[in-house]
Amino acid sequence: QVQLVESGGGVAQPGRSLRLSCSASGFSFSNYGMDWVRQAPGKGLEWVAVIWHDGSNEYYADSVKGRFTISRDNSKNTLFLHMNSLRVEDTGVYYCARGGPFDLWGQGTLVTVSS
Amino acid sequence: EIVLTQSPGTLSLSPGERATLSCRASQSGSTISIAWYQQKVGQAPRLLVYGASSRATGVPDRFSGSGSGTDFTLIINRLEPEDLAVYYCQQYGGSPPWTFGQGTKVEIK
Repeated sequence: QVQLVESGGGVAQPGRSLRLSCSASGFSFSNYGMDWVRQAPGKGLEWVAVIWHDGSNEYYADSVKGRFTISRDNSKNTLFLHMNSLRVEDTGVYYCARGGPFDLWGQGTLVTVSS
Repeated sequence: EIVLTQSPGTLSLSPGERATLSCRASQSGSTISIAWYQQKVGQAPRLLVYGASSRATGVPDRFSGSGSGTDFTLIINRLEPEDLAVYYCQQYGGSPPWTFGQGTKVEIK
């Protein structure tokens, strides 16, 4: 079954860290660029980061640059988002998505940053 | 960064009517591509159209995309109650950052 499954969300205090994971199955993970997209409560979609299929390039939204790191382990078909120095405004549902355009999405994992 | 502006913010139509959603880009470019997504309440987004006019797998032919340069359109023919959702355009291709429009909410009367 072709799917993406995120995990790792939860509650964190401002300034702390979290690591999100996205497990891929049913397709050749190493052939696709992968992205993270987030959605604050009641708001629209915001692209966060992309990593090339082989991990050779990464790009970030200005809002997370220097705080978040996207990475992948193609041997384990897993995508990661390391989130440091979390802010209240990082609260939202985080989706992993395949490729560009995003033809496959996970169900999302909720990150809440609150003191 | 390319800014996408969607209009209208909300569209309220009756079943069977046609919905016309607009997406305007702040700049054009040969490497820019436009996609459209549908997001229903409590669900992840779903790809509807890519490359401005190509329907994604399994998308009904009631949905059609068009446009070029800086102006793009998603048309939903013969609206059905299940089309209740927020629709987002997105630009991808070229160099990141990719960006989304702010969304158009389609309401069914």
